[in-house]
Amino acid sequence: EMQLVQSGAEVKKPGESLKISCKGSGYSFRNQWIAWVRQMPGKGLEWMGIIYPDDSDTRYSPSFQGQVTISADKSISTAYLQWSSLKASDTAMYYCARTHYMDVWGKGTTVIVSS
Amino acid sequence: DIQMTQSPSSLSASVGDRVTITCRASQGIRNDLGWYQQKPGKAPKRLIYAASSLQSGVPSRFSGSGSGTEFTLTISSLQSEDFATYYCLQHNNYPYTFGQGTKLEIK
Repeated sequence: EMQLVQSGAEVKKPGESLKISCKGSGYSFRNQWIAWVRQMPGKGLEWMGIIYPDDSDTRYSPSFQGQVTISADKSISTAYLQWSSLKASDTAMYYCARTHYMDVWGKGTTVIVSS
Repeated sequence: DIQMTQSPSSLSASVGDRVTITCRASQGIRNDLGWYQQKPGKAPKRLIYAASSLQSGVPSRFSGSGSGTEFTLTISSLQSEDFATYYCLQHNNYPYTFGQGTKLEIK
């Protein structure tokens, strides 16, 4: 069974750094793109960016370029989303999803940024 | 960026009703569009891919149509478990973009 398992909820303070993860199984992780999607509380879905784990080719939405870093470690079938300095406005649910077509989704990671 | 305009933003309907949701793309996207269902507190679930292909395991009352700039998701006979929020996604051109969502509520 193909699945994406995301890391657990995080509570952080503004200015702190954070890296959340998404581990794939049940398919060839390195050969399928992984996308990240943000959902702020009570709001819709926002496409953040996408990475191809085999060569780390990465594309960002202009809205998120420079705000986050997407990376992957194909040796452990894991993709990452990271922030160097969190803001309160980063409070959201973050999902990873497989391929351009987002056929398989992780359950999401809640990130709360509050002083 | 390609803008996806989804309508309506909300919809009240009854069990058994036929419902149609529309997404319009600001430029042609061939059939590079998917439809997703999201229930409260859950991850989105893909219903339709390539604009009109039904995801395995999804009931046949769901159907998609369209190509180019205009797309529709139709639920032929609403069931209680269909009350949720629905999104379209274009994956033709970076950055990929979602529609604003349609919240389907019980009348």
